[in-house]
Amino acid sequence: NAGVTQTPKFQVLKTGQSMTLQCAQDMNHNSMYWYRQDPGMGLRLIYYSASEGTTDKGEVPNGYNVSRLNKREFSLRLESAAPSQTSVYFCASSKDTRTATHNQPQHFGDGTRLSIL
Amino acid sequence: AQSVAQPEDQVNVAEGNPLTVKCTYSVSGNPYLFWYVQYPNRGLQFLLKYITGDNLVKGSYGFEAEFNKSQTSFHLKKPSALVSDSALYFCAVRDSNTDKLIFGTGTRLQVFP
Repeated sequence: NAGVTQTPKFQVLKTGQSMTLQCAQDMNHNSMYWYRQDPGMGLRLIYYSASEGTTDKGEVPNGYNVSRLNKREFSLRLESAAPSQTSVYFCASSKDTRTATHNQPQHFGDGTRLSIL
Repeated sequence: AQSVAQPEDQVNVAEGNPLTVKCTYSVSGNPYLFWYVQYPNRGLQFLLKYITGDNLVKGSYGFEAEFNKSQTSFHLKKPSALVSDSALYFCAVRDSNTDKLIFGTGTRLQVFP
């Protein structure tokens, strides 16, 4: 099993450009998450999806959109990139369901390192 | 506001010595607590969790953590550190209002030979 796969691994954008970060999991997990990791700030939740077709905002959703395309895939889109969005982005998944939320371990991809000039 | 704190940015320990990485939390209700480890250029990996039950939780790679309700702490411990344990460690707690995980800022563990 590959677990959680993120593409691309690295990307450099210019301010104002758009791009989509892809994430897929092969563990049949219900819940998927997008986080950003910045030095000294830990991980901050951008968006969350409890199941196919549902998404919820996290702590820092501004400037981002997401799509839960199917149970396996959860993409993150930057419509107009800004230098403040330079970060490492992590996708994660877990078995959590709406009736048993956030007591299951999350499984993380290896991240996308995004630089915006 | 609900929160989790890791008071040490870095912990240094000699190989073979015991290690402790500290975590304190502030949540309403019963806490769900987690420890994750991150190696360079990798995602976070789950180590252990406390939901209910015994205060001493055992996890992967010989790590354990002690839940202390009176001190609102969940310190990560290992009896004998290995150089390969050198990594970034994150404590996390479930926010009982939003049901989302709140991560600490991380503690870098450096184990010297």
